[in-house]
Amino acid sequence: KNQVEQSPQSLIILEGKNCTLQCNYTVSPFSNLRWYKQDTGRGPVSLTIMTFSENTKSNGRYTATLDADTKQSSLHITASQLSDSASYICVVSPQWEYGNKLVFGAGTILRVKS
Amino acid sequence: SAVISQKPSRDICQRGTSLTIQCQVDSQVTMMFWYRQQPGQSLTLIATANQGSEATYESGFVIDKFPISRPNLTFSTLTVSNMSPEDSSIYLCSATDRGRNTEAFFGQGTRLTVV
Repeated sequence: KNQVEQSPQSLIILEGKNCTLQCNYTVSPFSNLRWYKQDTGRGPVSLTIMTFSENTKSNGRYTATLDADTKQSSLHITASQLSDSASYICVVSPQWEYGNKLVFGAGTILRVKS
Repeated sequence: SAVISQKPSRDICQRGTSLTIQCQVDSQVTMMFWYRQQPGQSLTLIATANQGSEATYESGFVIDKFPISRPNLTFSTLTVSNMSPEDSSIYLCSATDRGRNTEAFFGQGTRLTVV
């Protein structure tokens, strides 16, 4: 069964600090791995999309890494802000699902406090 | 990018009734999907909304319970029929163009509570 596991389940950090969220997956082969940010009461918003051949991708203070050999990805948030408080979801797109079906992790809930 | 308007944003419904959720995209898209998200859990795909034909449902979801329409390339509806408290959840619409690495956009979700 295709699985996407995220850790930690939740995290609290102080404003201005950095943090790293982890994603392990068993989906194979896969086309791409995505990170989404979901604010409370809102739909997910894309942060990064990495194909299986990419190792890293940045979007402002967000940097995602991908190790296809170990089937691990991480999302690093630099200089956190209160607005970064949200759920961060790791999503993998199986290669055979040309219809764009996605496999979602349960998310990491991040709370940034002042 | 595509902007998706989903409504209602939330509703409280009596058991046994039905609710129709609307999803409007500001541009034509190839594919539209409906998801359910239980609190603290992953998004679960309900079905793929096919333009001009019957939706394709995932295992565990049936047309009689979740009828879906997609009359054109920018609009879709999901109906939650004969609701029970177990249907209380967040329902999300998503849109994307065909292609393995294309962006997927989501509506803001509909928070449904069945009492």
